[in-house]
Order: sequence, then structure tokens, then C-alpha cells
Amino acid sequence: GNSVTQMEGPVTLSEEAFLTINCTYTATGYPSLFWYVQYPGEGLQLLLKATKADDKGSNKGFEATYRKETTSFHLEKGSVQVSDSAVYFCALIKISGGSYIPTFGRGTSLIVHP
Amino acid sequence: DAMVIQNPRYQVTQFGKPVTLSCSQTLNHNVMYWYQQKSSQAPKLLFHYYDKDFNNEADTPDNFQSRRPNTSFCFLDIRSPGLGDAAMYLCATSPPGHLYNEQFFGPGTRLTVL
Repeated sequence: GNSVTQMEGPVTLSEEAFLTINCTYTATGYPSLFWYVQYPGEGLQLLLKATKADDKGSNKGFEATYRKETTSFHLEKGSVQVSDSAVYFCALIKISGGSYIPTFGRGTSLIVHP
Repeated sequence: DAMVIQNPRYQVTQFGKPVTLSCSQTLNHNVMYWYQQKSSQAPKLLFHYYDKDFNNEADTPDNFQSRRPNTSFCFLDIRSPGLGDAAMYLCATSPPGHLYNEQFFGPGTRLTVL
């Protein structure tokens, strides 16, 4: 079946540091890939997405590139801010029996210190 | 603002006492999802609706049921909650089936079982 593996957290960084959160997936065919962010006390919200190989999703200074050869979708940001502190979820959507089934990773907590 | 609303935000029930969680949406999306999220784990898809078509995940316990009386509302019924059912329950919606579509999440209901 489909699966998403994220690096263990928490990731603790100082403000303006470079961020990488690793995500790899297992799925047949060509799933769409997503990063969601969950701020404290709120629901998940879409951060960025990519729908085919070599696509780059970007938003709010975050980027991720769909790498089919390594089945990866690593999240990066050049300079993090305290306000980026949240839990980040990598996810894929794949067609299964006519339905669009999402699969999430377990989330990676990011803590940014001033 | 169009949104996904979950009530209540916090629910306490007793072991074995039936409980219902509710979700409403103003997005007019065809697809609605229920997830169970335990601490430091990936959101686990319980079931989803495409319009009125109900799709149950194979490993969702029979103890969990769902109703969708109309496009806007969806309910999660836990018939006999056990201690292991304590979790955050997330409702999400999505526009008509499309591989590229993001999900829109509510803030979640945290269920405590005493």
C-alpha cells in the first residue's frame, strides 16, 4: 500500500537558519504530493503541492521538489522565522478503486528560537 | 469566510457511552473525510464520502459509524468508546474528485475517554 515517511522531530533551529524536513514515499504510479502545516490549536492547512515529477511547489518561502527517482519531496526554507514553529505533514494522494485516497506522514515538529 | 467547522472542540465521554462528533462546511465540497489522529502519529483515514457514497477504510473498527444527511453536515458516531479511542478527530473536505485537489481541514475535536 501507499506510505509516507518523515524525519523524526522535533527539529529545533535558531531564527534565520536553513530548514530541511525530509519526506519519502512509497506508491505505485504517479501520486500528487503535498505539504500541510498545523499551527497550535488549528487544523491542517495546505502549504504547497506538486503534481508531477520534477515539479517544484513553493509558498511563503518554503519549497519542495517532486523527485520520482528518489521518491522524495523534501521541504526546505532558506531562513526560518519564529512564526514558522508548527507541525509539518507530508502527504500523497493516489487513486484507489476510483476514489482519491490521501496518506499522511506522522508529522515533524519544528521549533524556531529567536 | 468559507470554512470547515467542528463541534465540539473538546469532548469528554465515559467508557462505553456513545458519542457523536459533528462537522459542517460552507465550501459546498462534494467530498468529506474523517480522520483519527493520535499523538505523534499520522492522521489515519477512517472513512470518506463522495456526495452520499460512503467509503469505509478496511481497517476502520465497526465501533465507528458515520452519517451525512446533506452536503453541509457529516457526523462521526462512536458507539462504545474505549480508552484506545481517545484521540483528535479531524474532518476535512475536498472539491469533486481530482488528483490535484487539496483538503480543507477543520480545527479538530479532541476526545477524552474516562
